[in-house]
Amino acid sequence: ETGVTQSPTHLIKTRGQQVTLRCSSQSGHNTVSWYQQALGQGPQFIFQYYREEENGRGNFPPRFSGLQFPNYSSELNVNALELDDSALYLCASSLKLAEETQYFGPGTRLLVL
Amino acid sequence: AQSVTQPDIHITVSEGASLELRCNYSYGATPYLFWYVQSPGQGLQLLLKYFSGDTLVQGIKGFEAEFKRSQSSFNLRKPSVHWSDAAEYFCAVGVLNSGNTPLVFGKGTRLSVIA
Repeated sequence: ETGVTQSPTHLIKTRGQQVTLRCSSQSGHNTVSWYQQALGQGPQFIFQYYREEENGRGNFPPRFSGLQFPNYSSELNVNALELDDSALYLCASSLKLAEETQYFGPGTRLLVL
Repeated sequence: AQSVTQPDIHITVSEGASLELRCNYSYGATPYLFWYVQSPGQGLQLLLKYFSGDTLVQGIKGFEAEFKRSQSSFNLRKPSVHWSDAAEYFCAVGVLNSGNTPLVFGKGTRLSVIA
């Protein structure tokens, strides 16, 4: 059984650019959530996807968007990058929508210059 | 809205000593409670979770946590700390029976282990 994987591991972008982060959920898991972890902080919920539809969103602007594919993998897209978007982005998958246990990937560290 | 407080930003313990990391939550009903550990530059690993039933839960790596409803607490304990336990520890709360299950995390407690 493979765990949650994310790519790339590290990324450097400049302000105003766009970025796409990718996540493959754990085998058999149909729900994916994305979190942003700023330096020295706990993760903050961005949004969740279930069966290719957004199923809840945290306090993040619309320039944060996502996709979930039929194989349950997912993408996080961030447009018009700002310096404050520099963070570790974590993807978590869970077995089903009402399953509370989430399993996290290693994260993608994004640096915006 | 639910919230999680981890009062200790940084704790240092000697190897072999006991450990207790504090976590208090704010939520009107019975939440799901979790402890995760994060090593430097890594993602989050689930240590243990509480959903219902026995309020003392056992996790991996010799950790345990006790849910105390009256104190809104879910403290993490380990009787004897190993140097490899040095990491960041996060307490999190999830909403019971919600179709949208975001976790709300505390700010974390950094554990240092000295010889």
